[in-house]
Amino acid sequence: DAGITQSPRHKVTETGTPVTLRCHQTENHRYMYWYRQDPGHGLRLIHYSYGVKDTDKGEVSDGYSVSRSKTEDFLLTLESATSSQTSVYFCAISELSGGAGETQYFGPGTRLLVL
Amino acid sequence: QKEVEQNSGPLSVPEGAIASLNCTYSDRGSQSFFWYRQYSGKSPELIMFIYSNGDKEDGRFTAQLNKASQYVSLLIRDSQPSDSATYLCAGANSGGSNYKLTFGKGTLLTVNP
Repeated sequence: DAGITQSPRHKVTETGTPVTLRCHQTENHRYMYWYRQDPGHGLRLIHYSYGVKDTDKGEVSDGYSVSRSKTEDFLLTLESATSSQTSVYFCAISELSGGAGETQYFGPGTRLLVL
Repeated sequence: QKEVEQNSGPLSVPEGAIASLNCTYSDRGSQSFFWYRQYSGKSPELIMFIYSNGDKEDGRFTAQLNKASQYVSLLIRDSQPSDSATYLCAGANSGGSNYKLTFGKGTLLTVNP
């Protein structure tokens, strides 16, 4: 898992409640990413970070915010969870691989169910 | 819209056969391509990457890239039941550091004993 942990691993919550997912890395990588994976849609990028306090939107960022106050932690917040945000969320880091540039490695994932 | 297309499958092959997984991409500026394997309920794990035209071999896996045809493939020789998984193809964005990937929806491979 390239030194990546995610917490919680499973969560059930109710519509309208705030939810924060945490991604923690131990290897000081600059880039970190949040994806969601849904049947029929594959992996879609929500937000990514290229350094402390430096973040940018991905293709499905509506309803999500992120923060990165330390190199090792990247937080994903659903301000007011909706049923459409029920998904599996993966965090990823990237590291330089000879010739290919940045190569991404994934954390174990968080299964979120919004009732 | 940058797209990566994969046949969703399922692709079913007998044990010991060659499995061929294919991927096409729309962004001619994409530089590098990645193949991930994902077992059910698990996270994607990197198998290999390729960035030059031609073939790249790693054990039983061979990645092939044809930039003129915008086509990437993964061959798995001597397929084993343990190779049964979803295989994801991803292309790195163009224009500078390939720090963002566009993923296909994946191809489900089943290797039958």
